[in-house]
Amino acid sequence: SQQGEEDPQALSIQEGENATMNCSYKTSINNLQWYRQNSGRGLVHLILIRSNEREKHSGRLRVTLDTSKKSSSLLITASRAADTASYFCATDRGSTLGRLYFGRGTQLTVWP
Amino acid sequence: GAGVSQSPSNKVTEKGKDVELRCDPISGHTALYWYRQSLGQGLEFLIYFQGNSAPDKSGLPSDRFSAERTGGSVSTLTIQRTQQEDSAVYLCASSFAGYEQFFGPGTRLTVL
Repeated sequence: SQQGEEDPQALSIQEGENATMNCSYKTSINNLQWYRQNSGRGLVHLILIRSNEREKHSGRLRVTLDTSKKSSSLLITASRAADTASYFCATDRGSTLGRLYFGRGTQLTVWP
Repeated sequence: GAGVSQSPSNKVTEKGKDVELRCDPISGHTALYWYRQSLGQGLEFLIYFQGNSAPDKSGLPSDRFSAERTGGSVSTLTIQRTQQEDSAVYLCASSFAGYEQFFGPGTRLTVL
């Protein structure tokens, strides 16, 4: 079963707007990661946030983590058409073995 | 190479035939993962190799699926007697120390 559940399933915005995607999970975690996928091919790692962190930034990306609510959000500021992709969250379900559990993803479309 | 490579990039086969998919992980990465992604879906874990430990095969959907990793490097995923429901993109990833996973471009398998 999917560990992460992203919402919305699809999001369409104009260039320059901010995009916010959410992820909920069910078990304890060591860390949560966000990945991006273009055109159904390989995934690219965006950011990792540890369970003792609440917020992390990387360029135009901002990730928050609320372990009490078992949820995370990914904010992309000043979006660009090139940000169009699917975005997935993944957790380790508290395991240190390295296996990740992915959600079904949010399909983001940024219109020029 | 600098990244994870997979071959072939596309494979079309007839129902009932066997196929082999190859993954070359990043040199030095101790962990290797296989995932499957059906159209519009998230990633489904298949199998995980970590160093010399016994692989975690818990995600393999049937005994028609098997994988091996030779010399702690290259891995081959074999699907015997392919079925139409095996059609998907098969993604390989590798990591060091079990955190960020680096994905290959995937193999798109189509079973006619």
